[in-house]
Amino acid sequence: QQQVKQSPQSLIVQKGGISIINCAYENTAFDYFPWYQQFPGKGPALLIAIRPDVSEKKEGRFTISFNKSAKQFSLHIMDSQPGDSATYFCAAISDNYGQNFVFGPGTRLSVLP
Amino acid sequence: DGGITQSPKYLFRKEGQNVTLSCEQNLNHDAMYWYRQDPGQGLRLIYYSQIVNDFQKGDIAEGYSVSREKKESFPLTVTSAQKNPTAFYLCASTSRGAYGENGYTFGSGTRLTVV
Repeated sequence: QQQVKQSPQSLIVQKGGISIINCAYENTAFDYFPWYQQFPGKGPALLIAIRPDVSEKKEGRFTISFNKSAKQFSLHIMDSQPGDSATYFCAAISDNYGQNFVFGPGTRLSVLP
Repeated sequence: DGGITQSPKYLFRKEGQNVTLSCEQNLNHDAMYWYRQDPGQGLRLIYYSQIVNDFQKGDIAEGYSVSREKKESFPLTVTSAQKNPTAFYLCASTSRGAYGENGYTFGSGTRLTVV
C-alpha cells in the first residue's frame, strides 16, 4: 500500500511536443506529491509539487494534474525541449509514514531535437 | 551557498573491503537520508536519521551502517557484507516538518564500483 506506480518507464517525444508521465498510489493518507528531475550523474532536484486540495498546479511549462478520487497524478511538460531530457520521479509522503518519501521507479524522458 | 556535499564522486572498492561515503550539509536540516539507485529501480531507502544520535533502517539496510554524531554529517559505510554494492548512492536532507514546502535536497551522488 506504500507503493507509488509510475508509467511509462521510458518516453520519447519530439521537440515542441507534450510529455505526459503518470503516477498512481494506494495510500489515501498521502498528502504531498512532488516530482523530481534527475540528469545523468546528478542528484534529483525538486521540480514541482502538489497537495490533494487542488486539482492542478502549473509552473512555467510544467503542470501537475491531480485526481484524488482516482488516486492518480500526472506531470505534463508542454513544449518539450531537448534540455528536458532526464529521468523524472514522482513521489508521495504522509505524516503517517513519517518523513520518508515513497518514490516511483522513474521515467526516462528523451526529447528529440 | 547552502547545499549537500557528497564525496567522493567516484569510489572503487575491492572485494571484502569496507568503504565510507561522506555526506555533509550546511542547510541546518534535521533529517538526513541515504538512498541507493540502480538502473531501472528508482530510489531505495537505506538508512535515515531524524535527529542527531538517532537513525533508523530503511528498506535495504543489510550490509550498510551509518552514524549521526553531528547534525551536518551522515556518513554511510558499505561493509563487506553487502554482496552487490555497485550502485549510485544519494544522500538527501530536509527540515523536519517542512517537507511540504521544499521536499528533499539531494547531493550529487557517489558512484561506487566493486573491482
